[in-house]
Amino acid sequence: AQSVTQLGSHVSVSEGALVLLRCNYSSSVPPYLFWYVQYPNQGLQLLLKYTTGATLVKGINGFEAEFKKSETSFHLTKPSAHMSDAAEYFCAVSEEEYGNKLVFGAGTILRVKS
Amino acid sequence: KAGVTQTPRYLIKTRGQQVTLSCSPISGHRSVSWYQQTPGQGLQFLFEYFSETQRNKGNFPGRFSGRQFSNSRSEMNVSTLELGDSALYLCASSLTGFHGYTFGSGTRLTVV
Repeated sequence: AQSVTQLGSHVSVSEGALVLLRCNYSSSVPPYLFWYVQYPNQGLQLLLKYTTGATLVKGINGFEAEFKKSETSFHLTKPSAHMSDAAEYFCAVSEEEYGNKLVFGAGTILRVKS
Repeated sequence: KAGVTQTPRYLIKTRGQQVTLSCSPISGHRSVSWYQQTPGQGLQFLFEYFSETQRNKGNFPGRFSGRQFSNSRSEMNVSTLELGDSALYLCASSLTGFHGYTFGSGTRLTVV
């Protein structure tokens, strides 16, 4: 079974600083990988996804992630944090042996300090 | 195009009651999957339906059930509610995993 590990349940950065949220996965097959963001009392919004092709994936709101097969990682970055980036972020892997299913990491709460 | 619609947004139920939640997927999407989100357990997969058939089920008791209709709308039902069932229930609509998953805003269920 696939699994996802997000290092750091809470990350705090200053406004304008680099954002780095870490995600490692385990999968026996080439994975589909996703990053979602969740604001309080809302659903999950897709930031970006990796399926095939280019390993550096660009998403919405200036976020990007790089798929590194050798490290089984899919870390999320943003060059300059904005106050509006404060939210919870989830990394997920798609497991499709028996239908469509996402396996999520535990989430990372991003705090942006002014 | 319209997104994923979940109704109701909020529910308060009493222990022992049952509840039905609804999810209308994006037009053309035949896969609907359900997830439970709690502070302690995070996001956990409940089940997935495709063309009215349940293809996959998570590790939840039989009190949790679902179905999908011919128009791809899905419902999930929880019977004999327990306090621990209080959670945000999210549904996701997809073509395939390759195309990604679009989530609704969720239903916040509170069991008292």
